[in-house]
Amino acid sequence: DIEMTQFPSTLSASVGDRVTITCRASQSISSWLAWYQQKPGKAPNLLIYDASSLESGVPSRFSGSGSGTEFTLTISSLQPDDFATYYCQQYNTYSGPTFGGGTKVEIK
Amino acid sequence: QVQLVESGGGVVQPGRSLRLSCVGSGFTFSSYGMHWVRQAPGKGLEWVAFTSYDGSNKYYEDSVKGRFTISRDNPKNTLYLQMNSLRAEDTAVYYCAKDRRRYSSGWNDYWGQGTLVTVSS
Repeated sequence: DIEMTQFPSTLSASVGDRVTITCRASQSISSWLAWYQQKPGKAPNLLIYDASSLESGVPSRFSGSGSGTEFTLTISSLQPDDFATYYCQQYNTYSGPTFGGGTKVEIK
Repeated sequence: QVQLVESGGGVVQPGRSLRLSCVGSGFTFSSYGMHWVRQAPGKGLEWVAFTSYDGSNKYYEDSVKGRFTISRDNPKNTLYLQMNSLRAEDTAVYYCAKDRRRYSSGWNDYWGQGTLVTVSS
């Protein structure tokens, strides 16, 4: 099974900061990676798919990059609505997708 | 607009069974793969099961293989998760999620609001 490691697990930042979250796969997954945002008590919301494609309706301050085993989610200028937990997900295999452990973005 | 509405959660004793349902609307349900994803209290997301658009291709997470069964009724726009031999560690909010693909597992563009399953004596 492919394991997904996200870091940091918690990140403290201020409004306006540039924020980067990293996700590492235990083996190459090409560009088969998505990023989700989840707020407390709510379902996850898709941000990025295929590593760098922005989902319709998602603000352009969110961007994704990477391929193979190393991926990043960047928020160019953190907004108050962005304080949440972020998850990566690989969907490379025919044995089902796997999620990273999550990164909680907190107010500094 | 796309909507996914789960139901069927509740409190159940260890070893018992429960069936979750998820009704989809606002899209052609029969054209997309569907997933169940769960989240234990205070924990991260864990994928549980996937079915292709026609039910011919199914995958399960290792800890639920042989206990859980995913199925779908396309004329009723409904996804199911039959959960047998439930354990305390199955306690979680269960989400149904739409896949962007038809046959193989991809990414999830829409999610339901979730239904809570609590396994406790």
